[in-house]
Amino acid sequence: NAGVTQTPKFQVLKTGQSMTLQCAQDMNHEYMSWYRQDPGMGLRLIHYSVGAGITDQGEVPNGYNVSRSTTEDFPLRLLSAAPSQTSVYFCASSLGLPTDTQYFGPGTRLTVL
Amino acid sequence: GIQVEQSPPDLILQEGANSTLRCNFSDSVNNLQWFHQNPWGQLINLFYIPSGTKQNGRLSATTVATERYSLLYISSSQTTDSGVYFCAPFGDGLTFGKGTHLIIQP
Repeated sequence: NAGVTQTPKFQVLKTGQSMTLQCAQDMNHEYMSWYRQDPGMGLRLIHYSVGAGITDQGEVPNGYNVSRSTTEDFPLRLLSAAPSQTSVYFCASSLGLPTDTQYFGPGTRLTVL
Repeated sequence: GIQVEQSPPDLILQEGANSTLRCNFSDSVNNLQWFHQNPWGQLINLFYIPSGTKQNGRLSATTVATERYSLLYISSSQTTDSGVYFCAPFGDGLTFGKGTHLIIQP
């Protein structure tokens, strides 16, 4: 199993540009989520999904969209990038519940100029 | 939401030393997980521990849910233990502390 994969590893955007961060898992996990990590901080939840077709907002959802058309994929879209969205983004998945053991992808480091 | 406080924020030890990392949380939780973020940024789940004590090799964790704290013990530290250790109790959602930055010197 590849586990949780994320692409790209690094990305530089200009203010106002849009892009999609990809996340995929091959463990047949129902629960998937996106976090952002800022320097010296823990991780903060952006959006999550409890299964295909179902998504919901986390702690810091503004400026981000998600969709879950398949069990495997959970892309995160930045609609109009802002410098405040410069961060490291992590995707995670767990078997069924958010309370289950979480498995994290390697992260995407995003810089918005 | 739930507040999470981890201590100490930074810790520098020599190889072979033991350490105890603490996580206090402000409210009742359904479970708690400990993670290690290595120097390359990868997050690895160490323990899923809503209560009681678990051990995995040189690492062990104890959660006392009624007193709202969890402890992570690292014995006989190795340089590969360096990184940031996060606790993440689950209240409304998984809430991460700011972490303990551990440096193990050879």
